[in-house]
Amino acid sequence: DAGVTQSPTHLIKTRGQQVTLRCSPKSGHDTVSWYQQALGQGPQFIFQYYEEEERQRGNFPDRFSGHQFPNYSSELNVNALLLGDSALYLCASSPQQGGTDTQYFGPGTRLTVL
Amino acid sequence: AQSVSQHNHHVILSEAASLELGCNYSYGGTVNLFWYVQYPGQHLQLLLKYFSGDPLVKGIKGFEAEFIKSKFSFNLRKPSVQWSDTAEYFCAVKGYSGGYQKVTFGTGTKLQVIP
Repeated sequence: DAGVTQSPTHLIKTRGQQVTLRCSPKSGHDTVSWYQQALGQGPQFIFQYYEEEERQRGNFPDRFSGHQFPNYSSELNVNALLLGDSALYLCASSPQQGGTDTQYFGPGTRLTVL
Repeated sequence: AQSVSQHNHHVILSEAASLELGCNYSYGGTVNLFWYVQYPGQHLQLLLKYFSGDPLVKGIKGFEAEFIKSKFSFNLRKPSVQWSDTAEYFCAVKGYSGGYQKVTFGTGTKLQVIP
């Protein structure tokens, strides 16, 4: 049983570009959350998807958007990249919305914006 | 709004020393509490969690944490650390906002264990 997988592993972009990151949740999980982890910081909640809808959003601008597909996989899109968007982007999946679930994290995508 | 505070940013211990990492949270409702560990080059892994019941929670690799509701604390402990415990440790709180869960992480504590 594969855990949470993310692609790509590393990505280098320049300011102003757009990027798409991908996440496949753990088998049996239907809720996907995205986090941004800047260097030396804890993960910051971006948003959560359940039933293909954004259910909860953290304090991130509209440049950050996402999508969840019928197979529960998810994408994170960031437009008009800024230098400050350089970070490790983590995807976490959980088996249900609410309840006593626990999130399982993927290895992350390291985004560098030059 | 919920928040998490980890008091120690960097801790250095010798092998066999005892460990206690502080974590305080701020949230007005029922919370679930977690400690995660991130070993060098690896992804976040769950060490232990508290949802309800016994406030002393046992986790993997000999770690434990105690939930003290009156102090809004969830400190992580281990009686005797090993070199392999060198990692970054994150405390997290899950609260419920508008019917949906939201997890907030602390800034992390880097633990370095010296052989």
